[in-house]
Amino acid sequence: AQTVTQSQPEMSVQEAETVTLSCTYDTSESDYYLFWYKQPPSRQMILVIRQEAYKQQNATENRFSVNFQKAAKSFSLKISDSQLGDAAMYFCAYRSPTQGGSEKLVFGKGTKLTVNP
Amino acid sequence: EPEVTQTPSHQVTQMGQEVILRCVPISNHLYFYWYRQILGQKVEFLVSFYNNEISEKSEIFDDQFSVERPDGSNFTLKIRSTKLEDSAMYFCASSQRIGGTAFFGQGTRLTVV
Repeated sequence: AQTVTQSQPEMSVQEAETVTLSCTYDTSESDYYLFWYKQPPSRQMILVIRQEAYKQQNATENRFSVNFQKAAKSFSLKISDSQLGDAAMYFCAYRSPTQGGSEKLVFGKGTKLTVNP
Repeated sequence: EPEVTQTPSHQVTQMGQEVILRCVPISNHLYFYWYRQILGQKVEFLVSFYNNEISEKSEIFDDQFSVERPDGSNFTLKIRSTKLEDSAMYFCASSQRIGGTAFFGQGTRLTVV
């Protein structure tokens, strides 16, 4: 079974600075999908970024980018120019390939990000 | 922008009572999911639903749980006889196609007393 590990329960960053959140995963599959979701105090789950494992290029979405290291099974999230609104719980998630695989998301335990003014 | 909506936002129920959590997925989505998050813990998969039947369920999703798509828009999660440990945030999600990104609703906080 796939597992997702987020080793940083909490992180903090100064406003306008850059922060990197770590995520590692364990799988025997060669093709899969990885996601970062944000959960602000309202507790809604908001998609931040998605990466397909077959793509070598790291996904980017405005101030958010990932460092996807397939061999190391690492998928970190970099937030540039941090803003107060970035403060939230961040969850890394894994999903199997579509054909014959599970559609479910497997989540890590999350990293609580605090942004200091 | 289309979104997944869930009602109610917060429900308090007595232990042993039945509860129905409601979700309206994004209109052109075909795959539907329920997840739950016990306070302070990670988000856990409960069930996936496609073509009017359950496509996958977790160990958590026992006989006390059921899902239904009673009409063309709603997707419901029923807990027949609630237990204290069912207290959690329940998230509905939907995706347009197999392999598509799952979009989540804002969640229903269920409190069992």
